[in-house]
Amino acid sequence: QSALTQPASVSGSPGQSITISCSGTSSDVGAYDYVSWHQQHPGKAPKAMIYDVSNRLSGISSRFSGSKSGNTASLTISGLQPEDEADYYCSSHTSSNTLIFGGGTKVTVL
Amino acid sequence: EVQLVESGGGVVQPGGSLRLSCAASGFIFSTFAMSWVRQAPGRGLEWVSVISGSGSNTDYADSVKGRFTISRDNSRNTLYLQMNSLREEDTAVYFCASDVDRIMARGFDYWGQGTLVTVSS
Repeated sequence: QSALTQPASVSGSPGQSITISCSGTSSDVGAYDYVSWHQQHPGKAPKAMIYDVSNRLSGISSRFSGSKSGNTASLTISGLQPEDEADYYCSSHTSSNTLIFGGGTKVTVL
Repeated sequence: EVQLVESGGGVVQPGGSLRLSCAASGFIFSTFAMSWVRQAPGRGLEWVSVISGSGSNTDYADSVKGRFTISRDNSRNTLYLQMNSLREEDTAVYFCASDVDRIMARGFDYWGQGTLVTVSS
């Protein structure tokens, strides 16, 4: 099963909003509301941000929000801040009872 | 405070075996599914395996099926990954992660810091 499709990179200026897309199929993203988002700074372990499409985990800023339409999920970062510069990965439960990740998106704060 | 601490990584020759451990604390370990995820150098995240909270259900990525075995000891709050017939392409940092679900790999809430496995002759 191929990875979910994410843009390789997204950039924005401080204070702006950016959106990262995560495209899958009717066997994963489209089949369940089980999309998650993870942030990873260079050389660090990933950090879970959002689960079940739009539920923020404890301690995660409300500037991060998730949504889904059909086979595509999205992560929006509002009020972009320098510390948001990192790699972001989406993941989804699949009909094969496995989990699949996106290829990752590098967010650059200009 | 939730903590997941992996150990057991190292250098192993192709065809060799290694067992990883993940010690959990700060939550009711037996309640939640646990997964292993790996990241090859300079690459993205790849899900490897999941085990249900009770330990009765397991699933694997096709890339490791038949070679890796996930297990857990709820009395010791510890997750394991037995890796056999290792290949050079298994070289990666291996992370354990706790799930929000009791049974399946649905979405993680905590990640460990990772342990490096290098398969090389």
